[in-house]
Amino acid sequence: AQSVDQPDAHVTLSEGASLELRCSYSYSAAPYLFWYVQYPGQSLQFLLKYITGDTVVKGTKGFEAEFRKSNSSFNLKKSPAHWSDSAKYFCALEVMQQGTGSKLSFGKGAKLTVSP
Amino acid sequence: GALVYQYPRRTICKSGTSMRMECQAVGFQATSVAWYRQSPQKTFELIALSTVNSAIKYEQNFTQEKFPISHPNLSFSSMTVLNAYLEDRGLYLCGAKTGINTGQLYFGEGSKLTVL
Repeated sequence: AQSVDQPDAHVTLSEGASLELRCSYSYSAAPYLFWYVQYPGQSLQFLLKYITGDTVVKGTKGFEAEFRKSNSSFNLKKSPAHWSDSAKYFCALEVMQQGTGSKLSFGKGAKLTVSP
Repeated sequence: GALVYQYPRRTICKSGTSMRMECQAVGFQATSVAWYRQSPQKTFELIALSTVNSAIKYEQNFTQEKFPISHPNLSFSSMTVLNAYLEDRGLYLCGAKTGINTGQLYFGEGSKLTVL
């Protein structure tokens, strides 16, 4: 069975520091991985995705993520962090379902707080 | 660009009543629509995956009898929460994309359901 793990439920850092949010996955096929951000009271916004090709992918808002097959990880990074980056971040794995297409399986999310 | 409009944004309903939410895709063909629920302090759970003119596949713990979905064309989908109770509260999201395989989901703004 597939799964997505975000081990750090809460991450706190100071503005200007480097941020890294961890994500690991378990999936028997080639993974398609995504990061989304949810600001308080809002829906999900797409940040970036890894499908194939370069293992470092750049996304919106200055974020990037590195896909590492060796340890099944897809960590999100940004440097420097800004207070406006405070939000909840979700890592997601696209899972293929025979006959019905694909679905996104989300991790539990990581709440990031960046203090000014 | 691709946009997904979702409404209503917020609903307060009495226990045992129903709530219908709608999702409108603009700028692309919503071949596949996924409905998710985020319960308070939780991650996003897939309720069902709908492909236009095809069967709707519900995830375990979600049924058509409780969450009927309509997906009549390539720009519109709706879902109803029937007989809503406290455990049904949360943020309901629709995500749409073109095709049924790999592709970025465009999410609506979400419909927040509060049950009294």
